[in-house]
Amino acid sequence: GENVEQHPSTLSVQEGDSAVIKCTYSDSASNYFPWYKQELGKRPQLIIDIRSNVGEKKDQRIAVTLNKTAKHFSLHITETQPEDSAVYFCAASTIISWGKLQFGAGTQVVVTP
Amino acid sequence: DAGVTQSPTHLIKTRGQQVTLRCSPISGHKSVSWYQQVLGQGPQFIFQYYEKEERGRGNFPDRFSARQFPNYSSELNVNALLLGDSALYLCASRSDYTGELFFGEGSRLTVL
Repeated sequence: GENVEQHPSTLSVQEGDSAVIKCTYSDSASNYFPWYKQELGKRPQLIIDIRSNVGEKKDQRIAVTLNKTAKHFSLHITETQPEDSAVYFCAASTIISWGKLQFGAGTQVVVTP
Repeated sequence: DAGVTQSPTHLIKTRGQQVTLRCSPISGHKSVSWYQQVLGQGPQFIFQYYEKEERGRGNFPDRFSARQFPNYSSELNVNALLLGDSALYLCASRSDYTGELFFGEGSRLTVL
């Protein structure tokens, strides 16, 4: 089955700096890669996703890149703000089974003012 | 529009007991998935249901079971509870149009 590895486990950045989280996956059939943000005690919320027919996608300060050949994808947050502090999860799935996501272990991002 | 709703939000059980968790998907969503999230880890897939049929099962023992009703709501049942079943149980519904998965706030189960 699919295995998703996520690095780093913790990331501390100064406000205004950029943050990058990297994930690798094992199943070449995976073609849907969402990113979720989870604040303490809250539900995971989708912040951006990318499908395998796209190499990069941006939404304001957030961008995701996908390298299918190398089986890795990354989340980039620019101009970080204190409200970006949370745990971020990457995930992978196939189009056929979108309801079955394989999550990474998560990255705790701390943005210090 | 209401999001995914789950009940109860918190519950405490003792080892060996049984628990039933409930989920109502977003209106119009026919797919419901269940995930277990142990503290400090990512969610782990348990079940997926679509149109009342099981479409996927994760690596969980037979003590875990689920079903989906005609109105697309769902129940997750866990029998013979173990201490290790203590976790946040998340329900998610999926849009047929975008494929996006929307999570509920979860049911936090503590097994003593």
